[in-house]
Amino acid sequence: KAGVTQTPRYLIKTRGQQVTLSCSPISGHRSVSWYQQTPGQGLQFLFEYFSETQRNKGNFPGRFSGRQFSNSRSEMNVSTLELGDSALYLCASSPRTDSYNSPLHFGNGTRLTVT
Amino acid sequence: LAKTTQPISMDSYEGQEVNITCSHNNIATNDYITWYQQFPSQGPRFIIQGYKTKVTNEVASLFIPADRKSSTLSLPRVSLSDTAVYYCLVGDPLEAPYNKLIFGAGTRLAVHP
Repeated sequence: KAGVTQTPRYLIKTRGQQVTLSCSPISGHRSVSWYQQTPGQGLQFLFEYFSETQRNKGNFPGRFSGRQFSNSRSEMNVSTLELGDSALYLCASSPRTDSYNSPLHFGNGTRLTVT
Repeated sequence: LAKTTQPISMDSYEGQEVNITCSHNNIATNDYITWYQQFPSQGPRFIIQGYKTKVTNEVASLFIPADRKSSTLSLPRVSLSDTAVYYCLVGDPLEAPYNKLIFGAGTRLAVHP
């Protein structure tokens, strides 16, 4: 069974631009979560989608948004990029709704560098 | 979600057993304890999960005392490839919000030849 796939693997953007990251969950997994990881802040929850609906959102500005498609694939978008948005963005999928008890399966992330 | 405390870093040598302890004094009745492993530039990988006593799988064991205020991840006979960051998480599977895992700083394990 294929794992969680994130594209692109690496991305370089300049300040003010916008970026879209893609995540394909494990087949059959309907829940997709996004995390931002930086050396200073560690792993921080961005948002979670289930059946095309955002169920929960972390403490990030409105420049960070996402969506989920009917095939469970998800995208996240960051507009008006800032230098501080440079990070590893991780996507995780899970098969269940009460999925804290169901371990998350993470992709290898997209490394975003903002210059 | 219960707050967890882990050592920032640990060092070991190949072939040794490594025990990483996580404190979670405010663990609630319905909370489970889950450990993840993360290598540089990769996403965290699920290692093991437990509620009480001892859980063992092919890669690790998890020891949880009766009061559940701490837990210990045990890695038998570590190798260089076990060098990674290990995260301990505690939470209730039925508590909203779903999937909002709170990762702490983790424990950076360095295995030396």
